[in-house]
Amino acid sequence: EAGVAQSPRYKIIEKRQSVAFWCNPISGHATLYWYQQILGQGPKLLIQFQNNGVVDDSQLPKDRFSAERLKGVDSTLKIQPAKLEDSAVYLCASSLISGLGTDTQYFGPGTRLTVL
Amino acid sequence: KQEVTQIPAALSVPEGENLVLNCSFTDSAIYNLQWFRQDPGKGLTSLLLIQSSQREQTSGRLNASLDKSSGRSTLYIAASQPGDSATYLCAVKKQGGSEKLVFGKGTKLTVNP
Repeated sequence: EAGVAQSPRYKIIEKRQSVAFWCNPISGHATLYWYQQILGQGPKLLIQFQNNGVVDDSQLPKDRFSAERLKGVDSTLKIQPAKLEDSAVYLCASSLISGLGTDTQYFGPGTRLTVL
Repeated sequence: KQEVTQIPAALSVPEGENLVLNCSFTDSAIYNLQWFRQDPGKGLTSLLLIQSSQREQTSGRLNASLDKSSGRSTLYIAASQPGDSATYLCAVKKQGGSEKLVFGKGTKLTVNP
């Protein structure tokens, strides 16, 4: 079974530029998550999708971050414009069905973003 | 607001030692608790998941315990090996609401040969 795929793996941009990350979850997983992990910190949930609907985006900085999952499969996360403090690893995860106690989240390798 | 704390932040041990990693959380109204492993440049791998009604879970040389009332969990690693070197993260899922996991900052473990 293929895991969660993310691209690109690394990205370096100047502040105020735009950037987009892509995630393809495990086939059949209804729930998709985007996390931000700043160096030395634990991951912080940015947004959670159930199929193509948003379940939780309470910690997403909506003035600069946006995410979509149009067909309920893969997803993109965009930052526009980027700030220095956005430098982090962006992790995508998926789980089979939301709401069940055994729904382990499976994580992708992440995209490491550096904003100069 | 749920806060998760992991102690110590870093730990270095010789190969073969048994060790304990600690995790504490402020809100005991959790659905479950998970321990993850993170290797440099890679994503997270789930090691053990403990439901709120359970006291412990075991997988190979790993044993995780949960004391929900006191807001504590421990991850016990027996007979540590250099391959166990990684960052170990604890995360809790709140009862009800979204499936959001709240993570601690992790414990960076180094097992020296």
